[in-house]
Amino acid sequence: GAGVSQSPSNKVTEKGKDVELRCDPISGHTALYWYRQSLGQGLEFLIYFQGNSAPDKSGLPSDRFSAERTGGSVSTLTIQRTQQEDSAVYLCASSTRLAWGNEQFFGPGTRLTVL
Amino acid sequence: AQSVTQLDSHVSVSEGTPVLLRCNYSSSYSPSLFWYVQHPNKGLQLLLKYTSAATLVKGINGFEAEFKKSETSFHLTKPSAHMSDAAEYFCVVGDSSNTDKLIFGTGTRLQVFP
Repeated sequence: GAGVSQSPSNKVTEKGKDVELRCDPISGHTALYWYRQSLGQGLEFLIYFQGNSAPDKSGLPSDRFSAERTGGSVSTLTIQRTQQEDSAVYLCASSTRLAWGNEQFFGPGTRLTVL
Repeated sequence: AQSVTQLDSHVSVSEGTPVLLRCNYSSSYSPSLFWYVQHPNKGLQLLLKYTSAATLVKGINGFEAEFKKSETSFHLTKPSAHMSDAAEYFCVVGDSSNTDKLIFGTGTRLQVFP
């Protein structure tokens, strides 16, 4: 069975450019999450989608970051006017919604390098 | 608010010796707790999870963790390390105000020497 997939696996961009990162969750998973993992740090929560509910954007670091989830499946994380501090691995995860202790399944990540 | 602290950023052991990765949590409620592992250039994988059913939780690859409420700890152990255990390990707590959100520790890098 297919797991969570992300593309591209690596992205190198110049400061000031916009980038789009894509996540394909596991089929049937209603919840989708984006995290950022900077060098030597844990995972930082960015945004969370659950079904048709309004997304939880509380983790987005600035208004340059946005995300969409079309048709309750594929999600795109967009970073506008990239800065060097945006360089990190961006991880996507999906899960089914259980009452307690749901497992999140992670994709391999997109390594973003801003020059 | 929930938080999790991993007490060691790096742990080194010899192959065949026990592994102990320490984790303390802070939670106002009965927490859900997880350990995830991240091998180099691979995605995060769930090792085990605690959701109040049993305090000693067994996971994959011979790992287990014990929930100790009195110590607010959830340490990860393995009796005998294998070279393939070398990876980054994350202790994670579920956000009780929103059981879908996970709060990650900063990770412990486990090195295994032959």
